[in-house]
Order: sequence, then C-alpha cells, then structure tokens
Amino acid sequence: DQQVKQNSPSLSVQEGRISILNCDYTNSMFDYFLWYKKYPAEGPTFLISISSIKDKNEDGRFTVFLNKSAKHLSLHIVPSQPGDSAVYFCAASTPNSGNTPLVFGKGTRLSVIA
Amino acid sequence: NAGVMQNPRHLVRRRGQEARLRCSPMKGHSHVYWYRQLPEEGLKFMVYLQKENIIDESGMPKERFSAEFPKEGPSILRIQQVVRGDSAAYFCASSPPGVTGGSEQYFGPGTRLTVT
Repeated sequence: DQQVKQNSPSLSVQEGRISILNCDYTNSMFDYFLWYKKYPAEGPTFLISISSIKDKNEDGRFTVFLNKSAKHLSLHIVPSQPGDSAVYFCAASTPNSGNTPLVFGKGTRLSVIA
Repeated sequence: NAGVMQNPRHLVRRRGQEARLRCSPMKGHSHVYWYRQLPEEGLKFMVYLQKENIIDESGMPKERFSAEFPKEGPSILRIQQVVRGDSAAYFCASSPPGVTGGSEQYFGPGTRLTVT
C-alpha cells in the first residue's frame, strides 16, 4: 500500500512559469514532510521541508504548502528554470525523536522547457 | 565538509555471490539509513542504524540481507547469495543526532548493483 502518492509521473512547464508538484498521503500519523530533487545517477538532494504545525514554508523560489485536513501537500517552484528539470520526490515521516525513516512517493519527473 | 560517501558506485555480481556496499555518513552524523530504489519506483526504506545498534530493520528482507554500523568505520549493507531481483540502486542517508520535530536526511550518490 502506497502511503505517499505522487499521482503525476511527469510534468512539463515553460521556463519562467510556475511548476506545481502534488503529493497526497494516507497515514495521519505523518507529521513531517520533505521534498527531494534527484538527477540521474545521483542521490536525492534535500530541497525543503515542512512540519505539520505549519501550512507553508518558503525558501527562495521554492514554497511548500501543507493541507492537513486534505492530507495533501504541494511544491511550488517559481520561476521555473531549465536546471530544475529532475525527478522530485515527496517524503514523509512520523515524529519519534525526529530521527525516523522516510516514506517516499514514486516521484514526478519535471521538465522545464526553455 | 564531505557529504555522505558510498562505494563502490557500481557493483556487478553474478547470481550466488555476495555484495558489500559501504557508506560513510556526513561528519557529525550518527544516524544512518539504507534505502533501495527499483526502476521506476520511489526509494524504499530498508534499515536504520546508529553506532553499533540496529534501530529499525523493518524494511529489510529477512533472509540474505544484513547491515551493520560499527564503532569505527563505515556502515556496511551485505547481501548474500544475490539474485537478479536484488539489482537496484542502494542509497545511504545520514542525519545528525538529537533532532526533534523532524530532521532532513542527506543522501549519498548511491551504489548501483547489477546481478547477472
């Protein structure tokens, strides 16, 4: 059973426009959410995170929104750049001294077209 | 400030051989996680270790797989008698100790295991 779901396997966006990547989860115990970016043949790189006590976290061009009642989060990238083209993974964890394994979605491949 | 190091980056084994994957966490990090990624899939948790302790191995197959994180040296993921289905990318991640409320994990570049 997929506890973290990224229903769009791919997304294409024009350079300069907004990219919106979505993620849904089923486990209401999840309390901390992260987005990772992955290039081919490399490990995932941490992008941004959000705790369930917040509904928004912003870092430069990246903003994550959390809707706990809908068990939904999204990553907004604006403006999108060609270098943003990668696979984006949503991940979640449960609070347990903070160091707990992550549960990942299957990823969304973002292509930013120049 | 070196990141998480994994070696080898690529490993080819014949069916029935043993595979040993190594991971050195970031400096100051005492928590190590191993994940496996099959083609077109997300990363799946295998095992979580601290120095000399396995904290959670709920994601690890019961047979043929083992992991350790000794007092000195890297963490090792060991796969005995490999089969074709073990072919995957294996990623190690580390995080600092004593974090509350959630913590980022930092990933290594992965080891791509191919079983022929």
